[in-house]
Amino acid sequence: DQQVKQNSPSLSVQEGRISILNCDYTNSMFDYFLWYKKYPAEGPTFLISISSIKDKNEDGRFTVFLNKSAKHLSLHIVPSQPGDSAVYFCAARGLSRDSNYQLIWGAGTKLIIKP
Amino acid sequence: KAGVTQTPRYLIKTRGQQVTLSCSPISGHRSVSWYQQTPGQGLQFLFEYFSETQRNKGNFPGRFSGRQFSNSRSEMNVSTLELGDSALYLCASSPGGANYGYTFGSGTRLTVV
Repeated sequence: DQQVKQNSPSLSVQEGRISILNCDYTNSMFDYFLWYKKYPAEGPTFLISISSIKDKNEDGRFTVFLNKSAKHLSLHIVPSQPGDSAVYFCAARGLSRDSNYQLIWGAGTKLIIKP
Repeated sequence: KAGVTQTPRYLIKTRGQQVTLSCSPISGHRSVSWYQQTPGQGLQFLFEYFSETQRNKGNFPGRFSGRQFSNSRSEMNVSTLELGDSALYLCASSPGGANYGYTFGSGTRLTVV
């Protein structure tokens, strides 16, 4: 059972426009949400996060929105740049059966920025 | 400071063989987690080690095992390799526990033929 879902395997956006990446989750006990970015042949790198007590967090061109009632998370990139072309992973922090924190990951969305 | 180092970067093995992958975390980080990445499956959590103890485990068969040494370096072992084990194996370190302080290595690309 996938607790974190990224339903769009890929997304193509024109350079300069807004990119919106979506993530849905099922567990209302998740307390932190993160976005990671991954280039080919590299490990994922942390991009931005948001606590479950907030509904928005902004960092430069990147803004993450959290809608807890809908259990929905989105990452907005504006304006989109060619270097933003990468795979974006959404992750949620929750407690494992042993009461330790663990991250649950989505399958990723490949973002392609067209010049 | 040095990042997370994974060795080797690339590996080709034959079905039925076993393989050991290595991960050196960032100095001072005590938690090491391992992930398998395959196309369309995203990052699948294998296990997490903290202070030489396995603290969390994902839903992988017993052929996948790991350990952590006193210097926090970690190894992952896969026995009786199957074609479906071909993937990018990523290691992530953090100061302690599963939090947003994860730093990933570049991964080991394992190909099973």
